[in-house]
Amino acid sequence: SQQGEEDPQALSIQEGENATMNCSYKTSINNLQWYRQNSGRGLVHLILIRSNEREKHSGRLRVTLDTSKKSSSLLITASRAADTASYFCATDAGGVSSGSARQLTFGSGTQLTVLP
Amino acid sequence: KAGVTQTPRYLIKTRGQQVTLSCSPISGHRSVSWYQQTPGQGLQFLFEYFSETQRNKGNFPGRFSGRQFSNSRSEMNVSTLELGDSALYLCASTPGGFYNEQFFGPGTRLTVL
Repeated sequence: SQQGEEDPQALSIQEGENATMNCSYKTSINNLQWYRQNSGRGLVHLILIRSNEREKHSGRLRVTLDTSKKSSSLLITASRAADTASYFCATDAGGVSSGSARQLTFGSGTQLTVLP
Repeated sequence: KAGVTQTPRYLIKTRGQQVTLSCSPISGHRSVSWYQQTPGQGLQFLFEYFSETQRNKGNFPGRFSGRQFSNSRSEMNVSTLELGDSALYLCASTPGGFYNEQFFGPGTRLTVL
C-alpha cells in the first residue's frame, strides 16, 4: 500500500519557473528520499533527508522535512525541459544498523511537465 | 562502476505461465530489493535480500518468490501468472550498512496476455 500521497498529481510550468511538490506520509521514518522517473524507466535517486534534518540542498533541489506534520516538499528551482518526469517521495522506516532491512514505501508521484 | 542491470528488459507471457526475472546489483552491494510498479497501485515493495537471506517481504501472494546468490545477484519468480501481474518490475541495490540510498535498474516490463 502507498505510504502517503503526493500533491499535486500533475504540475505544468514554464521553463525557468520553480516547481514545488509535496509529500505526506503516515508512519515514523528513518529518512525520506526523492526519486525521479522518466517515462516508465528506472528510478534515479535525487536526494535523501534524514529524520533529524529539516532542510537539505543539492544543486537546484531543495528538500524540507517536517516530521511533526509528516510531510516533505521538493523544490526544483529554475526548471528546465529536461526536468520533465515523474517525481516520487519514498520513506524508509528501517534502522541504521547493518542488520536493518531496507524497504522503501513510495508515494503516488507527481508528473511534472516543463514547457520550453 | 557498472549500474544495476536487469534481464530481460521486456517479456510477454500468457496466463498460467511462470516467469523468472534477473537482477545484477552494483559490484559490492549486498542488499537487493524488488518493486512492482503498476498504473493502479503505483510502486510497491516485493522483497529484500541481504547476503542470500530474505530480510523483508511485502504484501504479495506466495506466487511471488525470490532468491539471492552468493555473488549478490538476485532472481524473482512469479508462478501461475495472472493478467494483473503485468507491470514494470524494478530491482534496486544498496551497499547495506549505513547507506540508505537505493540504486535502481532500468526494470523489466512484463506483459501477461
